[in-house]
Amino acid sequence: DTEVTQTPKHLVMGMTNKKSLKCEQHMGHRAMYWYKQKAKKPPELMFVYSYEKLSINESVPSRFSPECPNSSLLNLHLHALQPEDSALYLCASSQGLASGGQETQYFGPGTRLLVL
Amino acid sequence: KQEVTQIPAALSVPEGENLVLNCSFTDSAIYNLQWFRQDPGKGLTSLLLIQSSQREQTSGRLNASLDKSSGRSTLYIAASQPGDSATYLCAPMGGFYKLSFGAGTTVTVRA
Repeated sequence: DTEVTQTPKHLVMGMTNKKSLKCEQHMGHRAMYWYKQKAKKPPELMFVYSYEKLSINESVPSRFSPECPNSSLLNLHLHALQPEDSALYLCASSQGLASGGQETQYFGPGTRLLVL
Repeated sequence: KQEVTQIPAALSVPEGENLVLNCSFTDSAIYNLQWFRQDPGKGLTSLLLIQSSQREQTSGRLNASLDKSSGRSTLYIAASQPGDSATYLCAPMGGFYKLSFGAGTTVTVRA
């Protein structure tokens, strides 16, 4: 099973709301990722967790707050977002071996976020 | 910073024709290169991963080549079908965990 699940599929929020995106995998992967994809653009890396520790933060604004409660679960907490944050948010995972995460990344279907 | 270019940006072919998708990247110091497929509004599906030491990788009708020294990869899809219609993304991995994506080639296969 190479499935990464994401909930919710769609989310509409106001600029003062707080919401969370959830990502789950049961492949035993130890690296998990958040990407942001704007319309007609390629995905851009936001965060990487390796063995439940934040490994990479690509200078993402603090209104995005990632959390990795355990090796199967990854959350992205959203607060005080701007309309320009509207995008498809993709989660991915990989085995995360000591070789440095050079393995295939498996992506979830994404959460389509609209900020009003 | 790794720059990834995919040519052509869009491609429309009749069913049965072979497809050739090109990818070039500026920094040849990569660990591997992945090809993905993305259907409209959906997530990415991994098609092939080529390690930096490999020249070629095959899966069914798909074949990908890698010339690391010249910064090029090509994805070949044999005997295209309407179900192959999607956007194809090339992504070299230049740092630990870090994929850099091209803008993609959008393929339409006409029945």
